[in-house]
Amino acid sequence: KNEVEQSPQNLTAQEGEFITINCSYSVGISALHWLQQHPGGGIVSLFMLSSGKKKHGRLIATINIQEKHSSLHITASHPRDSAVYICAVRERSNFGNEKLTFGTGTRLTIIP
Amino acid sequence: NAGVTQTPKFRILKIGQSMTLQCTQDMNHNYMYWYRQDPGMGLKLIYYSVGAGITDKGEVPNGYNVSRSTTEDFPLRLELAAPSQTSVYFCASSYPSVSANTEAFFGQGTRLTVV
Repeated sequence: KNEVEQSPQNLTAQEGEFITINCSYSVGISALHWLQQHPGGGIVSLFMLSSGKKKHGRLIATINIQEKHSSLHITASHPRDSAVYICAVRERSNFGNEKLTFGTGTRLTIIP
Repeated sequence: NAGVTQTPKFRILKIGQSMTLQCTQDMNHNYMYWYRQDPGMGLKLIYYSVGAGITDKGEVPNGYNVSRSTTEDFPLRLELAAPSQTSVYFCASSYPSVSANTEAFFGQGTRLTVV
């Protein structure tokens, strides 16, 4: 079992729909990242959070530390949101290192 | 501010050849990482460095070497390329913080094919 599980693996939706991508993890963490990867492109950090909720434009990320679960929401989805969304956790470490463990990603396709 | 810069973007190697993937960052980050991304898999850590002169193995270090002579540069060396090293490679950097408020910055990736 992977330490970081994402669901769904693939998601296709119509433009304008509300999107939710989920991430569950099994280790103690100090922070969780949501990343975006466009086809053929690099990886961009969307959010980093250790508690509560963050919002940036149409993107909202929430985390429940007790339940070891995070969600990424996209409101009023648009075709340009089509990408792979990756959840990554920074495992709590006594040595202060910053190793990340990644989920396998959710491929989102928004149809006009 | 360039962030994390990786070169080359694409490369085809023959089995047994060697090459160096370059990574440089201009954010004065202490921590730098090399990951590989295989289809259907999450990114796997190859090597990381917590500062100049210090490197350590990640999950999948076999077949690779790294060095960190400066804060800015963290090259990844493949000595004897094998088909199993066909992958997309990402370099990343971050600044350590005990408060966990540390963004990770990624390069654009290097698509390597070994034939």
